[in-house]
This record gives sequence, C-alpha cells and structure tokens, in this order.
Amino acid sequence: ETGVTQSPTHLIKTRGQQVTLRCSSQSGHNTVSWYQQALGQGPQFIFQYYREEENGRGNFPPRFSGLQFPNYSSELNVNALELDDSALYLCASSALRGILNSPLHFGNGTRLTVT
Amino acid sequence: GESVGLHLPTLSVQEGDNSIINCAYSNSASDYFIWYKQESGKGPQFIIDIRSNMDKRQGQRVTVLLNKTVKHLSLQIAATQPGDSAVYFCAENPPSGNTPLVFGKGTRLSVIA
Repeated sequence: ETGVTQSPTHLIKTRGQQVTLRCSSQSGHNTVSWYQQALGQGPQFIFQYYREEENGRGNFPPRFSGLQFPNYSSELNVNALELDDSALYLCASSALRGILNSPLHFGNGTRLTVT
Repeated sequence: GESVGLHLPTLSVQEGDNSIINCAYSNSASDYFIWYKQESGKGPQFIIDIRSNMDKRQGQRVTVLLNKTVKHLSLQIAATQPGDSAVYFCAENPPSGNTPLVFGKGTRLSVIA
C-alpha cells in the first residue's frame, strides 16, 4: 500500500510569487485535504476535495486554491505569496468523506519558505 | 468557536514509565476524535481514534479515554520508550460535515533514558 506522497519536500519563494504543491493520495483514498502548519502550531485546515470538487474550506483567502484530479492526486496553489505563508503544508487523504469519520493519513509535507 | 486545546505544552517522562497526555475540546457536538504523533521533519502519524459513543479504546501500548461530560480527551502510553518522543496532537471532527479535523497546538513528549 502506497502512502501519501508530497512534492517538493522543500521550497523557497520570494514574496509576491506563486507556488504549486503536489500530493498523491494513499491508494484507495478518494478524499484529499490540505493543512497549513506554522512552526510550533497544530495543522490548520485549508480545504478538502472530493470527486474533484472543493467541498469544505477553512479560514484562508481565495489566493489559496486547489485541484483534485481523476486519479485523486491533488495540487495546492498559492498566489501572491506573503511572508506569513511560510509553513509546512500537509496533504492528507482518507477513504471516505470526513463526515463519515475516516481518519486522515498525512504525507510528510512541503516546507515552504517565503523571503 | 470550535477549538481544541491541550493542558500541558511539554511533558518529560522517564523511560519505562507511563505517559498521560491531556486534551480539552470545546465543541460538545464533536463525534470523532483522533490522536496523532508527529516526529521532527515528518507529517502527523495516526495513533488511535475514538468515536463519541465510546469512553475508552485500547491499542498497542496506547489507550484513549474520552470524557464527554467535561469535554476531555487523554492519551495514555504504557512503558514509554525513547521512540515515543514526539509532538502529540489531539484532533476533533466537528459536526459541520465538511471540516475534516480541528487540531490543537500539541504537546511535546520527551522521554528521558
């Protein structure tokens, strides 16, 4: 069974730039969620995708957007990067939608640094 | 609003002793709870979960207790080992449907050999 994989592992961008982070879901999982984890904090929910559509969103501005593909892989896009966007970005997949109480399985994240 | 908090930000335990990590949650309607372990440079790793219709669940060396009356969750680790050193997060699944999990800030567990 293949776990959740994310790429790249580390990334450095300049303020104002755009970034795309990628995630491959765990085999058999059809729901993907993205979380932002600032240093010393717990993960904060960004959004969730199911059947290629966003079906839940946390308190993040529209410059955070995403996609889910037919093979359940996903992208997180962030436009107009700000210094506060520096964080670990975590992708998680689950077998069913969150409301059905299926645990999330996380990748090891992408460490984004905005300078 | 919905929030998950932890009573102790750091916990130091002697190797071989039992560890207890506590968590308070604020949404009394949350129906599902998970404990995660996060090691340095890695993503959160699922440890154990519990549904709101249970008050105790046991795994391998770990036990989760749920007290809905006081909205309290705890993780007990038996015979703590150096490999247990990590940050532990509790997370709750609020009933709003489309927010998978709400995490707290975490507790750092340090095992003293």
